[in-house]
Amino acid sequence: GAGVSQTPSNKVTEKGKYVELRCDPISGHTALYWYRQSLGQGPEFLIYFQGTGAADDSGLPNDRFFAVRPEGSVSTLKIQRTERGDSAVYLCASSLSGRGGRTEAFFGQGTRLTVV
Amino acid sequence: AQRVTQPEKLLSVFKGAPVELKCNYSYSGSPELFWYVQYSRQRLQLLLRHISRESIKGFTADLNKGETSFHLKKPFAQEEDSAMYYCALSGRMDSSYNLIFGSGTRLLVRP
Repeated sequence: GAGVSQTPSNKVTEKGKYVELRCDPISGHTALYWYRQSLGQGPEFLIYFQGTGAADDSGLPNDRFFAVRPEGSVSTLKIQRTERGDSAVYLCASSLSGRGGRTEAFFGQGTRLTVV
Repeated sequence: AQRVTQPEKLLSVFKGAPVELKCNYSYSGSPELFWYVQYSRQRLQLLLRHISRESIKGFTADLNKGETSFHLKKPFAQEEDSAMYYCALSGRMDSSYNLIFGSGTRLLVRP
């Protein structure tokens, strides 16, 4: 079966523009996570969804970042007024559940965002 | 502060040599520890987690709470082990979310 799918794989945008990054989790996975990975660093947690709701958004760096998961499946990470410092690989992951077993997170290939 | 430290950016060994990838953590409670691996041009994937106490692809990792370490070991490295390895912790037991990752160690196994 298909794994976690992220689109686009690469995105180049100008400073100040708005971008949307999409994540299709594995079918049936209720938990979905967004991470950001800067060059030479490990992934950093951004937000965690359990179903449709954001159970923990403590990793979002500021109010320019927002994520939704309206039907409990596909999620979109939205970045307003992009800055050069937002350039990174944005990773999405999903797991069968958030807790209580079956919590292995499966990662997508990531979206490489470059803000010029 | 919660933190995961991987002191080596690159570890180069010859095929058949033992491997130890170091990981130290800082956390006030009882975290769950993981090792993730990323092979060339592939996605990040779970290698092992301390609560499973498994050996995966010949790799093992023991949680040492006294030294706050979770080093990854393999007695005989293979060329196919060459990859980027990330140590991570979760502050919630039996949970994968809000993982805190180290900066990673690139393992290069030479023939």
